[in-house]
Amino acid sequence: GQQVMQIPQYQHVQEGEDFTTYCNSSTTLSNIQWYKQRPGGHPVFLIQLVKSGEVKKQKRLTFQFGEAKKNSSLHITATQTTDVGTYFCAEDNSGGYQKVTFGIGTKLQVIP
Amino acid sequence: DTGVSQNPRHKITKRGQNVTFRCDPISEHNRLYWYRQTLGQGPEFLTYFQNEAQLEKSRLLSDRFSAERPKGSFSTLEIQRTEQGDSAMYLCASSFPPRNYGYTFGSGTRLTVV
Repeated sequence: GQQVMQIPQYQHVQEGEDFTTYCNSSTTLSNIQWYKQRPGGHPVFLIQLVKSGEVKKQKRLTFQFGEAKKNSSLHITATQTTDVGTYFCAEDNSGGYQKVTFGIGTKLQVIP
Repeated sequence: DTGVSQNPRHKITKRGQNVTFRCDPISEHNRLYWYRQTLGQGPEFLTYFQNEAQLEKSRLLSDRFSAERPKGSFSTLEIQRTEQGDSAMYLCASSFPPRNYGYTFGSGTRLTVV
């Protein structure tokens, strides 16, 4: 499947600042998933977005799926040191077989 | 059952040796996936199973790699005649759509080929 592009690849923010990572595809996506991987850890599922224009929130995290279903974003409000890690978007364009293809990820560093 | 279990956690092997990794998924999950991750990259798909059937295998996977999931429970990934380029973290994940679309990953097996 078409790999999604993620930007930026790296981001350093001061604790308390906001952070946003973007995921873009040249093709229409069936759905998009987001994962977080802490340093030395394994990816942990955060959320799946399916509907055009969908917005979901988890505490300080806000996930959006674009109207055209070709892009998605993850926004973290008032970052904390516990937010450190790499955030991956992953697309499932396998026609229902639920095989996801991961982006390269955005590595977030939070400076205390 | 608290999650996906992978063994061993670390494996150091000499080039040319065979290695086998094991994954025990969450018991109710019927789908099981193998991914490989190298430093600074996202997980790369290798293969996946629905129950005991292997439904897809990545073109990136050479014939030195083989995976099984007998009886639709645990799975093994074998690499024959290992090469230095096989050094990576091998991740197993399971899911149970439509109730659980997201993958639950294990802690991975880190392979180092020397």
